[in-house]
Amino acid sequence: DGGITQSPKYLFRKEGQNVTLSCEQNLNHDAMYWYRQDPGQGLRLIYYSQIVNDFQKGDIAEGYSVSREKKESFPLTVTSAQKNPTAFYLCASTPGLAGFDNEQFFGPGTRLTVL
Amino acid sequence: AQRVTQPEKLLSVFKGAPVELKCNYSYSGSPELFWYVQYSRQRLQLLLRHISRESIKGFTADLNKGETSFHLKKPFAQEEDSAMYYCALKNSGSRLTFGEGTQLTVNP
Repeated sequence: DGGITQSPKYLFRKEGQNVTLSCEQNLNHDAMYWYRQDPGQGLRLIYYSQIVNDFQKGDIAEGYSVSREKKESFPLTVTSAQKNPTAFYLCASTPGLAGFDNEQFFGPGTRLTVL
Repeated sequence: AQRVTQPEKLLSVFKGAPVELKCNYSYSGSPELFWYVQYSRQRLQLLLRHISRESIKGFTADLNKGETSFHLKKPFAQEEDSAMYYCALKNSGSRLTFGEGTQLTVNP
């Protein structure tokens, strides 16, 4: 079950601490995305990157940061400024930038709990 | 602004009954719409896209621009169809806007 991997599967953090969620893909995809999934709210886009060394804010970027130094990696940092960080986080990737094949491939997710 | 609405959070049907999961959207351009599905303990995955006009696992979805809808239908539901379903709208570039999701339960 390769493709996109996320680690860890479960993560606990104390209030006031930053934490970084890992996302790696071996699909040679250009674009990568971070979503959070909350019950009753669907998936909401946090950040996305269409190419290495470039990324854009999504709909709920406040309190989060990302980097895209390598094509295969797109780590997400949840900072202490994020007011409600407990959620299920999903990483995804897409083959092209704006082409026909816009299917997004998803990782297994990381469940973050703030204690 | 782009928006996707799935009015039913929960939907329960009996095996063999028809099922329709509703999706409405608002978008100023020419829409590209998708249905994604998440089975229990599995990853979120693409079910179908309107541009392909395909039927996957017996599901179909027709884009109705007049009603701005993209409802997902299946004439005879199966227990293995129980899952969370998300409707999604492609934005500029490769971004997707997802609806809130509908949890479908097919009872035996």
